[in-house]
Amino acid sequence: EVQLLESGGGLEQPGGSLRLSCAASGFTFSNYAMTWVRQAPGKGLEWVSTISVTGNRIYYADSVKGRFTISRDNSKDTLYLEMDNLRADDTAIYYCAQEAVPGLFEYFQHWGQGSLVTVSS
Amino acid sequence: EIVMTQSPATLSVSPGEGATLSCRASQSITTNLAWYQQKPGQPPRLLIYGASARAAGFPARFSGTGSGTEFTLTISSLQSEDFALYYCQQYSNWPLTFGGGTKVEIK
Repeated sequence: EVQLLESGGGLEQPGGSLRLSCAASGFTFSNYAMTWVRQAPGKGLEWVSTISVTGNRIYYADSVKGRFTISRDNSKDTLYLEMDNLRADDTAIYYCAQEAVPGLFEYFQHWGQGSLVTVSS
Repeated sequence: EIVMTQSPATLSVSPGEGATLSCRASQSITTNLAWYQQKPGQPPRLLIYGASARAAGFPARFSGTGSGTEFTLTISSLQSEDFALYYCQQYSNWPLTFGGGTKVEIK
């Protein structure tokens, strides 16, 4: 059974930093691109960032480019999102998601339960 | 950026009735479209991919059609477990984008 377990969320002040982790199990992590998607309270889904299987291709939404860094450790089956210079509008549940097809960047077969990030003074 | 527009925002339907949800792309995405179902307090769940292929675990009353810029999700006879939020997502171009969602509620 595929499991994605996010951690690292919490309350942070504007301008601060947080690091999210997503521990994967139940599939060969190194075969799949991985993605972060966020959802502000009561709002829709927003794609944040995607990383390829080896990490050599990375994509960011304009809203986070230059502030967030996605990375992965295939030896630990873990995905990361380093979030710097946080703003109030970064407040959201952050989901990690597994691409449905090995090696491709398309749609998301499995999702974690999410980690809540709140940015407030 | 490809803008995905879903309509209506809310659809009120009686159990047993059918529902038709629309998703429009601001430019052609061929059939690079997915639909997700989301229930309160849960992550989204993949429902349809490739515009019309149904994901595992969803019954045949769910169907997706369309190509280019116009897409439809049809639920033929709504069951209690189908009342939820539905999102479309294009994966034709970066950035990946989602529609704003359609809430299917009990009438």
